[in-house]
Amino acid sequence: SQTIHQWPATLVQPVGSPLSLECTVEGTSNPNLYWYRQAAGRGLQLLFYSVGIGQISSEVPQNLSASRPQDRQFILSSKKLLLSDSGFYLCAWSSRANTEAFFGQGTRLTVV
Amino acid sequence: QQPVQSPQAVILREGEDAVINCSSSKALYSVHWYRQKHGEAPVFLMILLKGGEQKGHEKISASFNEKKQQSSLYLTASQLSYSGTYFCGTEITGGFKTIFGAGTRLFVKA
Repeated sequence: SQTIHQWPATLVQPVGSPLSLECTVEGTSNPNLYWYRQAAGRGLQLLFYSVGIGQISSEVPQNLSASRPQDRQFILSSKKLLLSDSGFYLCAWSSRANTEAFFGQGTRLTVV
Repeated sequence: QQPVQSPQAVILREGEDAVINCSSSKALYSVHWYRQKHGEAPVFLMILLKGGEQKGHEKISASFNEKKQQSSLYLTASQLSYSGTYFCGTEITGGFKTIFGAGTRLFVKA
């Protein structure tokens, strides 16, 4: 069966520090991969999606970047965090047909 | 491009019914519905593809009117476990990305 792992679960980082969140998927090949951000009490904002290794599409210009170094690995990064980067970050995967997305348990990031 | 959901929040008593609406300004390929419990990841409920179909999942069903670019989620005889935030997600072209609405908070009380 397919599983998605996302870590860490919580993170407190100072302003100006770098960020690296990792997401891996098991049990499937060639998944679509996604990073979403959810601000407190808000909806799911699509940040990045990827349909293959090295292929990244950015939905919102911002302080973050994403990379897909391997087929089932998706990384969210920042060189210098801002206070506004705080939120709940969710990684998700779907098949090529995108009939259903499976979400990781999320990372709650607090920038202080 | 983000779909619009209504209402923003709803409070029900157990056994009551609710409807959550989702509308888009663009032609849709599909509509997805998810439910998120507080502090947890969203969980898939159902997908509706263009063609005006209606689907059901336990006592939760949904319809998709592609001409009106609208979908509705119907919760009948609500249970306490239905509490959470419901998101609709829309796809304009098939296969890649889903854009979610702001969510509808549903609270079912005994």
